[in-house]
Amino acid sequence: GQNIDQPTEMTATEGAIVQINCTYQTSGFNGLFWYQQHAGEAPTFLSYNVLDGLEEKGRFSSFLSRSKGYSYLLLKELQMKDSASYLCAVMRNNAGNMLTFGGGTRLMVKP
Amino acid sequence: KAGVTQTPRYLIKTRGQQVTLSCSPISGHRSVSWYQQTPGQGLQFLFEYFSETQRNKGNFPGRFSGRQFSNSRSEMNVSTLELGDSALYLCASSLEPGQGEQYFGPGTRLTVT
Repeated sequence: GQNIDQPTEMTATEGAIVQINCTYQTSGFNGLFWYQQHAGEAPTFLSYNVLDGLEEKGRFSSFLSRSKGYSYLLLKELQMKDSASYLCAVMRNNAGNMLTFGGGTRLMVKP
Repeated sequence: KAGVTQTPRYLIKTRGQQVTLSCSPISGHRSVSWYQQTPGQGLQFLFEYFSETQRNKGNFPGRFSGRQFSNSRSEMNVSTLELGDSALYLCASSLEPGQGEQYFGPGTRLTVT
């Protein structure tokens, strides 16, 4: 089976940096996704990592270590609009586009 | 380029009825996946379609079914609705299976009373 763990809730201050961790256990790993989901809305694609290392996209960066089964999403220069749930999801080999999601991390950004 | 579209956006049904939800993927995307999202279980994979064929299926009862048309549009059907089927049903599209980025539609919020 698969196990994907991420913290349930985090709080950070506007302008600060926050790191959201995700650990996973799976066979046939084929990539890790991060999505942002505002309350009542659909998930929005943030990043896809399949190789080890850091990928940066503006204020958001995502890191992957396949040997450790670990990823993190780094959000810089936090804005109030970043308050949302952040979902970590894993894709496996020979499973097409099937994603297994963690429970999500609800991030609250305070002034 | 238009995003993933889903219809209807909201639906209220009673127990025992059936429902059909529709999803149109991003133009050029041929893979469509369906997910159910509930507060208790989070996001769970239902099934995936590519080239009009179901490629993968999640752990849901046979009351949940789907299909894909030649233009890549997809429908999912839930028969004999139960209260526990109340959820947000999300469709995601990508170019091909296992090819990375998947984009979600706005979802259909189904309420079963």
